[in-house]
Amino acid sequence: EIVMTQSPATLSVSPGDRATLSCRASQSVRINLAWYQQKPGQAPRLLIYGASTRATGVPARFSGSGSGTEFTLTISSLQSEDFAVYYCQQYNNWYTFGQGTKLEIK
Amino acid sequence: QITLKESGPTLVKPTQTLTLTCTFSGFSLSTSGVGVGWIRQPPGKALEWLALIFWDDDKHYSPSLNRRLIITKDTSKNQVDLTMTNMDPVDTATYYCAHYYASVFDYWGQGTLVTVSS
Repeated sequence: EIVMTQSPATLSVSPGDRATLSCRASQSVRINLAWYQQKPGQAPRLLIYGASTRATGVPARFSGSGSGTEFTLTISSLQSEDFAVYYCQQYNNWYTFGQGTKLEIK
Repeated sequence: QITLKESGPTLVKPTQTLTLTCTFSGFSLSTSGVGVGWIRQPPGKALEWLALIFWDDDKHYSPSLNRRLIITKDTSKNQVDLTMTNMDPVDTATYYCAHYYASVFDYWGQGTLVTVSS
């Protein structure tokens, strides 16, 4: 099983600032990596797939990068609605999720 | 507009069998490349993929839960069922179904919380 490790567990950022979230795979997943956003009491929402392609309707302030084992989700200028938990997920070999990064208001 | 909704019991006893139904609209499970998956999330914890069924009835299961899961579809009813045997308190979670296309789960249901307790 491919293990996905996200860091940090919690990230405190001020509105308007940039947030950088990391995800590491225990073995190469090429670019078969997705990012999801989850708000309390809601289902996850697909943000990024193919490591860097934004899903339909996702604002341009969200961007993904990386390949192989190291990936990054960047939110360029945090809005109030962006404070949530973010999960990475690999789909190169079955489907496994990271443990999540909670993005909180500083 | 793609929508999915999970239904089933909210409380099951240990050792019982759980069956959940995903009822969807806005797409057909007979369309090439389309699938429906199940993912769960214990309270306060991370997501875990469980099973996936494709338009051609191909089925994939989580290796760790393979022996306890069965996924089936009824294309005419736009429904997908997930059966999980021998339920345990550690299986307490919100269970989500999701539309699958091009390798990603792009639309999710609202989820249903299942509690396993005697």
